[in-house]
Amino acid sequence: NAGVTQTPKFQVLKTGQSMTLQCAQDMNHEYMSWYRQDPGMGLRLIHYSVGAGITDQGEVPNGYNVSRSTTEDFPLRLLSAAPSQTSVYFCASIEVLGGETQYFGPGTRLLVL
Amino acid sequence: SQQGEEDPQALSIQEGENATMNCSYKTSINNLQWYRQNSGRGLVHLILIRSNEREKHSGRLRVTLDTSKKSSSLLITASRAADTASYFCATQGGSEKLVFGKGTKLTVNP
Repeated sequence: NAGVTQTPKFQVLKTGQSMTLQCAQDMNHEYMSWYRQDPGMGLRLIHYSVGAGITDQGEVPNGYNVSRSTTEDFPLRLLSAAPSQTSVYFCASIEVLGGETQYFGPGTRLLVL
Repeated sequence: SQQGEEDPQALSIQEGENATMNCSYKTSINNLQWYRQNSGRGLVHLILIRSNEREKHSGRLRVTLDTSKKSSSLLITASRAADTASYFCATQGGSEKLVFGKGTKLTVNP
């Protein structure tokens, strides 16, 4: 099992460009989340999904869109990149039974110039 | 809406010593989790403790939970250089999503 995979590992964007961060899991989990991690800020929830076709906003959703057409995939779209979106992005697949244990991908480092 | 807050922010110890990190939170929880993050990597789940549990063990890890004080501690015994990482607590209450603290950066010197 690959667990949670994320692509790309690194990306440099110019202000105003759009891009999609890919996330896939092979654990058949219904729940998935996207976080951003900034120095000194811990992890902040961007969007999450409780199943195919169902998504909801987290703490910092502005500037990001998500969709969940399949159980496996949960892409995160940056609509018009801004320097404030420079961060490390983590996708997580969530095992709900007994409490929401999260399995994280390796992350995508994004630099917006 | 940051819930858990780890203390200390940074901790440096010698190999073989024990490391203790604390987490305090503000509202009632269903469970509290600890995660480890090695530099440049994703977070890895270490242990989950439910609100009706007081202590859990996993290998060299010991987690305690005191709901009356709204606090938890993570003890790593006989630390190794490979334990060098950041450690995060995360709390979940009611129908709320998991909320992570800012982490404790542990350095274990060989």
